[in-house]
Amino acid sequence: DAGVTQSPTHLIKTRGQQVTLRCSPKSGHDTVSWYQQALGQGPQFIFQYYEEEERQRGNFPDRFSGHQFPNYSSELNVNALLLGDSALYLCASSFRDRFEKLFFGSGTQLSVL
Amino acid sequence: LAKTTQPISMDSYEGQEVNITCSHNNIATNDYITWYQQFPSQGPRFIIQGYKTKVTNEVASLFIPADRKSSTLSLPRVSLSDTAVYYCLVGDGGNQFYFGTGTSLTVIP
Repeated sequence: DAGVTQSPTHLIKTRGQQVTLRCSPKSGHDTVSWYQQALGQGPQFIFQYYEEEERQRGNFPDRFSGHQFPNYSSELNVNALLLGDSALYLCASSFRDRFEKLFFGSGTQLSVL
Repeated sequence: LAKTTQPISMDSYEGQEVNITCSHNNIATNDYITWYQQFPSQGPRFIIQGYKTKVTNEVASLFIPADRKSSTLSLPRVSLSDTAVYYCLVGDGGNQFYFGTGTSLTVIP
């Protein structure tokens, strides 16, 4: 049984570019959440998707957007990249009714130069 | 948004019991308390979850007092592989979760 998979594992971009990160949830899970983790900090909630809609959103600008597909996989898009967007981006999946029990992927390390 | 407060770091010798306490004064009635473990360059891993009193599983125990404004994660007989960052998480009822900076545990040989 595959866990949460994320791609790519590492990515280097320059300021102003756009990036798309991908996530496949654990088998059977229907809810996907995205987190940003800066070095030395705890993960910060970006948003959560369920039934292909954004259900909750953290304190992140509109440059951060997402999508969930019918197979429950998800994408995180970041436009107009800033140096401060450099971080580990984590995807977590869960069952809708047990959202506290999150299963995380290993993340995508994004570096913005 | 229910925030949590934990010690920034702790050291312990191998074989000792480690207790990490988390404060969550604004916990909501329906919130559960969940603890995660994170190793460098990996996503957090679920350890244990509880609502009140005491919960025990094969790796840890969780103690929650009656007022639920704090909780204590207890790791019995730690080993070097338990060196990691531990996060206390409380749901705010709206599917948003505040991880905080966590507690960096270092196990010393």
